[in-house]
Amino acid sequence: DSGVTQTPKHLITATGQRVTLRCSPRSGDLSVYWYQQSLDQGLQFLIQYYNGEERAKGNILERFSAQQFPDLHSELNLSSLELGDSALYFCASSVGTSGTNTGELFFGEGSRLTVL
Amino acid sequence: AQKITQTQPGMFVQEKEAVTLDCTYDTSDPSYGLFWYKQPSSGEMIFLIYQGSYDQQNATEGRYSLNFQKARKSTNLVISASQLGDSAMYFCAMREVIQGAQKLVFGQGTRLTINP
Repeated sequence: DSGVTQTPKHLITATGQRVTLRCSPRSGDLSVYWYQQSLDQGLQFLIQYYNGEERAKGNILERFSAQQFPDLHSELNLSSLELGDSALYFCASSVGTSGTNTGELFFGEGSRLTVL
Repeated sequence: AQKITQTQPGMFVQEKEAVTLDCTYDTSDPSYGLFWYKQPSSGEMIFLIYQGSYDQQNATEGRYSLNFQKARKSTNLVISASQLGDSAMYFCAMREVIQGAQKLVFGQGTRLTINP
């Protein structure tokens, strides 16, 4: 158990809909990262938050947004969903912007999104 | 440009044999970190081992070790005495720091199958 909690574990929805994925980082971790894993794209970095502020942005679509709340949990909002958004969405956390002395990320179990 | 390259999409190995998973990377930063993660069929990402660019010795963690060749920019994962439970996807990743914020960049992964 990594200590990172993601909900829901599975989600099935239709095209055009909007969903919210939730992540609780490990106790004490200030940084939260979101990754998307799809079959043809591998693990793609989406966005990082540190202590409530956005710190780094990757290949995140404009239809997607995220935020980190004062209690450090984070939400990833996906709107106007398309079939291609079907993927496993991971949240990961680390201590700070530079992580632990190694920079290791601790991953949640992922939220599997299926768009029909 | 792809920064992490895993050239073996799949590997099949007999139980109890050693296996080497290849990973090459590209960076101009003199300080970097390299990671290996395991993703079993259940989907979670499990941290295995870390190598820092300034580490003098190859990292080892139980049955996992790294063959770190800095000049060749490669960090191959060696799993000794493979077990059936080692069957999984294995991802190599590199820590990338941009404007003080870090993220991990992942390779495409290698699917390892251990045959009894």
